[in-house]
Amino acid sequence: DTEVTQTPKHLVMGMTNKKSLKCEQHMGHRAMYWYKQKAKKPPELMFVYSYEKLSINESVPSRFSPECPNSSLLNLHLHALQPEDSALYLCASSQDPGQGWEQYFGPGTRLTVT
Amino acid sequence: GDSVTQMEGPVTLSEEAFLTINCTYTATGYPSLFWYVQYPGEGLQLLLKATKADDKGSNKGFEATYRKETTSFHLEKGSVQVSDSAVYFCASNTGRRALTFGSGTRLQVQP
Repeated sequence: DTEVTQTPKHLVMGMTNKKSLKCEQHMGHRAMYWYKQKAKKPPELMFVYSYEKLSINESVPSRFSPECPNSSLLNLHLHALQPEDSALYLCASSQDPGQGWEQYFGPGTRLTVT
Repeated sequence: GDSVTQMEGPVTLSEEAFLTINCTYTATGYPSLFWYVQYPGEGLQLLLKATKADDKGSNKGFEATYRKETTSFHLEKGSVQVSDSAVYFCASNTGRRALTFGSGTRLQVQP
């Protein structure tokens, strides 16, 4: 089983709302990732968790706050977002953060900020 | 830094035509290389990978060979189907960070 699940599938939120995106994998992977994808663009890396510790933060604004409660779960907390943050948010996982390990992606959460 | 360059799309083919999507990379060291496919409204699916020079990745009729001398990883399929219509991303990974993606190539296959 190479499944990464994400909830919700769609999310509409106002600029003053607080919401969370959730990601789960049960493959025993030790690296998990958040990407942001705008229309007709490749995914852009936001955060990397390696063995449940934040290892990469690609200078993402503080209105995005990641959390890794355990090795299977990854959350992305959203607060005071801007309309330009509307995008597809993709979660991925890999066996290990090192070279050579393929990443498995979830279906994404389509976020619209109004 | 690392980078991946893909041919611009869209690529429009008739069913059963031969497909090539070009991909070249620049990297410090020897990256692992991947092709991902994204169908409309979905996440990315791993299509194939190669981890060292001269490796050939293959899956579902798609193939790509890791060419160190030309720093390339071109995607090929002998006979495309309408169901292959999607966006294809080439990506590299040198292990220092997560995947470096190309810009993506949209493939449209007409019946």
